[in-house]
Amino acid sequence: EAQVTQNPRYLITVTGKKLTVTCSQNMNHEYMSWYRQDPGLGLRQIYYSMNVEVTDKGDVPEGYKVSRKEKRNFPLILESPSPNQTSLYFCASSLHRGRDNEQFFGPGTRLTVL
Amino acid sequence: AQTVTQSQPEMSVQEAETVTLSCTYDTSESDYYLFWYKQPPSRQMILVIRQEAYKQQNATENRFSVNFQKAAKSFSLKISDSQLGDAAMYFCAYRTFTGANSKLTFGKGITLSVRP
Repeated sequence: EAQVTQNPRYLITVTGKKLTVTCSQNMNHEYMSWYRQDPGLGLRQIYYSMNVEVTDKGDVPEGYKVSRKEKRNFPLILESPSPNQTSLYFCASSLHRGRDNEQFFGPGTRLTVL
Repeated sequence: AQTVTQSQPEMSVQEAETVTLSCTYDTSESDYYLFWYKQPPSRQMILVIRQEAYKQQNATENRFSVNFQKAAKSFSLKISDSQLGDAAMYFCAYRTFTGANSKLTFGKGITLSVRP
């Protein structure tokens, strides 16, 4: 089944404790992206990747890191989480950045930073 | 700034009736796609319908249709014969393709409830 998976689905952590949210897709997609969803703000892009070893900042990259060592994986890293990073996180992928390419979303990761 | 505005935070519709969710957007790009996403309580983002900016004909998908007014930068979603399963948060979004990024820009969302 073609899908985007994220792990963990739920995470409660404490301020300053490094964490990684994994994202993996099995569709051989080139373009991958991370969004965060906050009430009243919709979804905002954190980082994106056009292909292996090609990543760049989105609209709200502060406090996050990403890597793209393999085409299928695009982990989101929070080196020192803070309470303002409590949010719902989505990974998304599409075949490439071009037109007429649907972005497929993962199931979301609910992160709480105490 | 490029934005998407969904001015109604909540709406309610009677089962089997029709409801229209409004959306306006602002982009300087000429090439873009518009989308409506549904987010049920499971939080999964589900693509409902999409519209290419170059196409004048309004997109339809079964009970879902859009009213795309390019000059007014308006992109409303009409849900006909509303069903209980339509209850969800709905997000309007657009995607542009210039530069390296092709991110989705989302509105704040609207919560739709369906009364039995």
